[in-house]
Amino acid sequence: GDSVTQMEGPVTLSEEAFLTINCTYTATGYPSLFWYVQYPGEGLQLLLKATKADDKGSNKGFEATYRKETTSFHLEKGSVQVSDSAVYFCALLNRDDKIIFGKGTRLHILP
Amino acid sequence: GAVVSQHPSWVICKSGTSVKIECRSLDFQATTMFWYRQFPKQSLMLMATSNEGSKATYEQGVEKDKFLINHASLTLSTLTVTSAHPEDSSFYICSASPASGANVLTFGAGSRLTVL
Repeated sequence: GDSVTQMEGPVTLSEEAFLTINCTYTATGYPSLFWYVQYPGEGLQLLLKATKADDKGSNKGFEATYRKETTSFHLEKGSVQVSDSAVYFCALLNRDDKIIFGKGTRLHILP
Repeated sequence: GAVVSQHPSWVICKSGTSVKIECRSLDFQATTMFWYRQFPKQSLMLMATSNEGSKATYEQGVEKDKFLINHASLTLSTLTVTSAHPEDSSFYICSASPASGANVLTFGAGSRLTVL
């Protein structure tokens, strides 16, 4: 079945470090891909998305590129801030219109 | 691992009726549960935050009188779509965090509502 695999956390970085959170997927056809973020005590928020191959989603300094050849949608940010500390979920929307989530990656940014 | 169960997984109802969707944390206690709505071919939208023993907090634009949320125990939150109309047809998903404060969300499998 369709699935999303993302790197396990927690990931701990210093402020201004470069961030990569890996995400790969398995799906039939051409799913839409998403990154969601959950800040402490809050629900999920959509961070960015890409709907077709080679699309790049971006928001708040975060970027992810839909790579069909490697079935990946890695999240990157060039310089993280303490306020980026959160849990990040990679997800896909499959051809049955069902959202499938990865298990989440907790990110800690140290000042 | 933590499991969140939603019921029913699929419901069809007539316009004007009310539908209740349950979200249960099966092996942990959840002081906070979240309800989301997914429109066709679109991403999730947070509808409300459900807090055990208190009123839910609704996101802007979500009608609290239409989408009634009750979180009566540490393992159960319910979403009632009142006087449902075809435009309420959607996929509703809940998620929960353990009361321990680990802040790791677990998602239910979702409930698909079709209003005729």
